[in-house]
Amino acid sequence: NAGVTQTPKFQVLKTGQSMTLQCAQDMNHNSMYWYRQDPGMGLRLIYYSASEGTTDKGEVPNGYNVSRLNKREFSLRLESAAPSQTSVYFCASIIRGPEGSTEAFFGQGTRLTVV
Amino acid sequence: GQQVMQIPQYQHVQEGEDFTTYCNSSTTLSNIQWYKQRPGGHPVFLIQLVKSGEVKKQKRLTFQFGEAKKNSSLHITATQTTDVGTYFCAGTNQAGTALIFGKGTTLSVSS
Repeated sequence: NAGVTQTPKFQVLKTGQSMTLQCAQDMNHNSMYWYRQDPGMGLRLIYYSASEGTTDKGEVPNGYNVSRLNKREFSLRLESAAPSQTSVYFCASIIRGPEGSTEAFFGQGTRLTVV
Repeated sequence: GQQVMQIPQYQHVQEGEDFTTYCNSSTTLSNIQWYKQRPGGHPVFLIQLVKSGEVKKQKRLTFQFGEAKKNSSLHITATQTTDVGTYFCAGTNQAGTALIFGKGTTLSVSS
């Protein structure tokens, strides 16, 4: 099992360029999430999809769009990259069990630099 | 919105000393999870607490969920160099959808 696969692993963009970060999970989970991680800021939720066909804004959605393509795939798009979007991006797939149990499985991360 | 606060932000200990990190939520949580992230890696699930006052142990790690389900702690007894990393708590919002993380506590251990 691959678990959660993110591509690319590294990317350098110029200000104003666009790109899409891809995420796929093979665990048949309903929920998928995108986080960004910056030094001293922890993991901040950008967007999430509680189930196929739905997406919702998280804590820091500005400058991003998402697409839940199907149950397996959840992509994050930067339409016009800015230096403030330099970060490490993590995709997570989340299983929800009985009694509200929750466990998140993370991808390896995408290290994005915007110059 | 829901906020999850974690202290301290950094902690350095000598190998063999104990370590504790604390997590507080602005709202009542349905559950809380703890994750560990090694330097350069991704967060990895450690444990989940669901019941009020729950205490769980994993070898040298003890996890506790407060009676009001708004706070939690992770205690490591006799730290080892393998414990180095950042420990995050994460809480599920009241709607049971968004998973919000604290800022983490970065632990360094010197031998």
